[in-house]
Amino acid sequence: EAGVAQSPRYKIIEKRQSVAFWCNPISGHATLYWYQQILGQGPKLLIQFQNNGVVDDSQLPKDRFSAERLKGVDSTLKIQPAKLEDSAVYLCASSLEAPGEQYFGPGTRLTVT
Amino acid sequence: QKEVEQDPGPLSVPEGAIVSLNCTYSNSAFQYFMWYRQYSRKGPELLMYTYSSGNKEDGRFTAQVDKSSKYISLFIRDSQPSDSATYLCAMRKGAGNMLTFGGGTRLMVKP
Repeated sequence: EAGVAQSPRYKIIEKRQSVAFWCNPISGHATLYWYQQILGQGPKLLIQFQNNGVVDDSQLPKDRFSAERLKGVDSTLKIQPAKLEDSAVYLCASSLEAPGEQYFGPGTRLTVT
Repeated sequence: QKEVEQDPGPLSVPEGAIVSLNCTYSNSAFQYFMWYRQYSRKGPELLMYTYSSGNKEDGRFTAQVDKSSKYISLFIRDSQPSDSATYLCAMRKGAGNMLTFGGGTRLMVKP
C-alpha cells in the first residue's frame, strides 16, 4: 500500500513570496490533515478535511494560509505572503476515518529567508 | 504554559538499556494518549495508543498512563540503535478532537 505522498520535499523562498504544497493521501482515506512542525516542536494541526469539507481550521492563520481539497482526494496548502516564522516542516496525514490512526507523509521542509 | 510538556533531550543510552520517556499534561480532559516515533526527515509513525489510565504492552514497548498525576510514560526494553529517533507523545480529549502533541524527546541508542 502506497503511503502519503507530498511534494516538494524542500522549498526555499524569500519572505513575502508565495508557496504551495501538495499532498496525495492513502487511497480511500476520507480524512486529511495538514500540520506545521517548527524545529524542536511537535506537529500543530492547521486544518482537517473530511472528504472535501473542512472539519477544523481553528489554528490556520487565515490571513495568509489557505487549503483546499476539491475532489476529496489530493490537497494543496498555500502560504501567501510567507513570513520568516513560517519556516517549518509541513506534514500531511490521512486516516480512513476520524478518529482513526493517522498516517503521515515525509513532509515539506520550508525555509523562508 | 504548554498543554503537553516533554523533555527535549537528547537522551543517550547504551544498546540494551531500558529507556523511559515521559510527558506531563495540564488538561484533565485528555482521555486518549499516543506515542509516535519520528526518524530524521520522516513523518511521525504511531507506536502505541491507550485510552484512559493503565498499561499497554507491545513487544519491547510499554505505555503507561496515570491520569491522576497527568503523567504518561513510554518504556523501551532492550533498546537498539534502530530505536534512535524523536519520540512524540500526543493526546486528545474526545474521539473526534484534534491531537495535541508534545515537543518530542530525541533518543540516541549507542552500539
